[in-house]
Amino acid sequence: DTAVSQTPKYLVTQMGNDKSIKCEQNLGHDTMYWYKQDSKKFLKIMFSYNNKELIINETVPNRFSPKSPDKAHLNLHINSLELGDSAVYFCASSQDPGFMNTIYFGEGSWLTVV
Amino acid sequence: KNEVEQSPQNLTAQEGEFITINCSYSVGISALHWLQQHPGGGIVSLFMLSSGKKKHGRLIATINIQEKHSSLHITASHPRDSAVYICAAPFTNTGNQFYFGTGTSLTVIP
Repeated sequence: DTAVSQTPKYLVTQMGNDKSIKCEQNLGHDTMYWYKQDSKKFLKIMFSYNNKELIINETVPNRFSPKSPDKAHLNLHINSLELGDSAVYFCASSQDPGFMNTIYFGEGSWLTVV
Repeated sequence: KNEVEQSPQNLTAQEGEFITINCSYSVGISALHWLQQHPGGGIVSLFMLSSGKKKHGRLIATINIQEKHSSLHITASHPRDSAVYICAAPFTNTGNQFYFGTGTSLTVIP
């Protein structure tokens, strides 16, 4: 079974649309993350949740809204998509927010906004 | 300027060569992670280390916290090692928020 799974893997959508990416982890971890990888392959953290509570919220447009219905799920909803939102979005999880934990990544979701 | 710097940015090696990828960071950390991103895009965590050296198969990671430097070594490199290697560090002055290096793209030629 995949430890961290995210769907969809590929998403092509038009500007202005609203879309969601879902993430689930079956590792029993308390902490989940969303990262964005831009065209230059640079990873940046967007959000981090611990036990369904937001603990890191980077400078991300408020069109991006994470939602954690339970600690095994962290979904990313994006409103009014823009061309610059095209990127690969990675979900990840760790046992807790502590820096000594291994981070487990999902396979990534390739978002293309046209 | 990126808080976490990696070198080289691109690396091509012949199969069997010993490979070193370097990572340096600008502020205090307590641990550093090495990640591997496969050509298909998936990211795998290779190492998490806070001191000294760790070894896993042909991969060796070292860190010197005082010098703010870490290295990832691959012995007897193989084409399947071709990937992007990324170092990531939680900065203690930001509540352990992770900063990522720009990645090193490794190609191992048979």
